[in-house]
Amino acid sequence: GQQVMQIPQYQHVQEGEDFTTYCNSSTTLSNIQWYKQRPGGHPVFLIQLVKSGEVKKQKRLTFQFGEAKKNSSLHITATQTTDVGTYFCAGAIQGAQKLVFGQGTRLTINP
Amino acid sequence: DTGVSQDPRHKITKRGQNVTFRCDPISEHNRLYWYRQTLGQGPEFLTYFQNEAQLEKSRLLSDRFSAERPKGSFSTLEIQRTEQGDSAMYLCASRAGGWGDRSPLHFGNGTRLTVT
Repeated sequence: GQQVMQIPQYQHVQEGEDFTTYCNSSTTLSNIQWYKQRPGGHPVFLIQLVKSGEVKKQKRLTFQFGEAKKNSSLHITATQTTDVGTYFCAGAIQGAQKLVFGQGTRLTINP
Repeated sequence: DTGVSQDPRHKITKRGQNVTFRCDPISEHNRLYWYRQTLGQGPEFLTYFQNEAQLEKSRLLSDRFSAERPKGSFSTLEIQRTEQGDSAMYLCASRAGGWGDRSPLHFGNGTRLTVT
């Protein structure tokens, strides 16, 4: 079945350093979504990527969708303590209504 | 938009007991999902409803699990004869739109189940 892998599982950085998480799917995706889950909270939608090679930016966050629509990445520039949390990618295959989530990358920051 | 509401927030039960959780989605959302999340893992898909129809169910879901959405509004998830391996956070999510729509999932705060 469809699998979505995410690396790394954990990342600890100093405040101000950059952070990147990578997502790979075993199948070609129709679209990919990114979510953030704060400690003790529930996943909250960040962004969706649909087109091959698409790049979207939200302030210090940059999201990319691979040309083959099987991988994606999230890059945070100059992390801040408010960026702490677990970042999940979630992929959907064409015609399917369910989103398959990766295992997440937990980001912790040393102030 | 009052958000997705789940009840209860926490449930502690003894092995072998039945439990039922409730989810009230965002009112205009016709699609409702149940996911399960264990510590350090991403949400794992359980089942999906479009209006009152249950259109997909994970093969990982045993016969002890059943979900309903009788009037296409709120949904219930029941686990019969609970096992310690059922301990997890059960997340409900809803989304708007019809087939092929790519709208985001809106999650509730979840029900944390502990089976002793």
